[in-house]
Amino acid sequence: GDSVTQMEGPVTLSEEAFLTINCTYTATGYPSLFWYVQYPGEGLQLLLKATKADDKGSNKGFEATYRKETTSFHLEKGSVQVSDSAVYFCALNSGNTPLVFGKGTRLSVIA
Amino acid sequence: EPEVTQTPSHQVTQMGQEVILRCVPISNHLYFYWYRQILGQKVEFLVSFYNNEISEKSEIFDDQFSVERPDGSNFTLKIRSTKLEDSAMYFCASGQREETQYFGPGTRLLVL
Repeated sequence: GDSVTQMEGPVTLSEEAFLTINCTYTATGYPSLFWYVQYPGEGLQLLLKATKADDKGSNKGFEATYRKETTSFHLEKGSVQVSDSAVYFCALNSGNTPLVFGKGTRLSVIA
Repeated sequence: EPEVTQTPSHQVTQMGQEVILRCVPISNHLYFYWYRQILGQKVEFLVSFYNNEISEKSEIFDDQFSVERPDGSNFTLKIRSTKLEDSAMYFCASGQREETQYFGPGTRLLVL
């Protein structure tokens, strides 16, 4: 079945550092890809998405590009802030099928 | 901006008791989902619901679970006889025909 693998955390960065969280997937067909973020004590929020190959999703300074040739959807941000500290989940689905999530990567940003 | 809401935010119950978790999806959405997240683990799909019936369910969603859309707005998850291992954060999500699912803030269930 479909699956998502994302880098193990936790990731600890200093403020203004560059962030990459790797995500690769296995899926039949052409899934849509998502990054969700979970801030401490809160629910899941959609951060960005891409629905076809070479699409780039972006939001709040975060970006991820749908790479079909490498089956990847890595999350990047050029300069992280303390407020970006959260758990980041990569996910996929096809149409209205259930989302399949990665295990999540905890990011801690220190001032 | 419309959002998915869930009640209660926290629920503590005794093992063997029934609980009902409530969700109000975004009003023009047609697809509804329940997921759960055991503390520190990944988010897992439980069940999806469309056109007043279950469209898909996972192996977690056994006979002790049921879902209902009792009126035009609410979407509920019932756990008939709770077990210790049901302790988790339960998320409701809804979506339209496109792929994006919007999540509620979750209900944290603790079974003692």
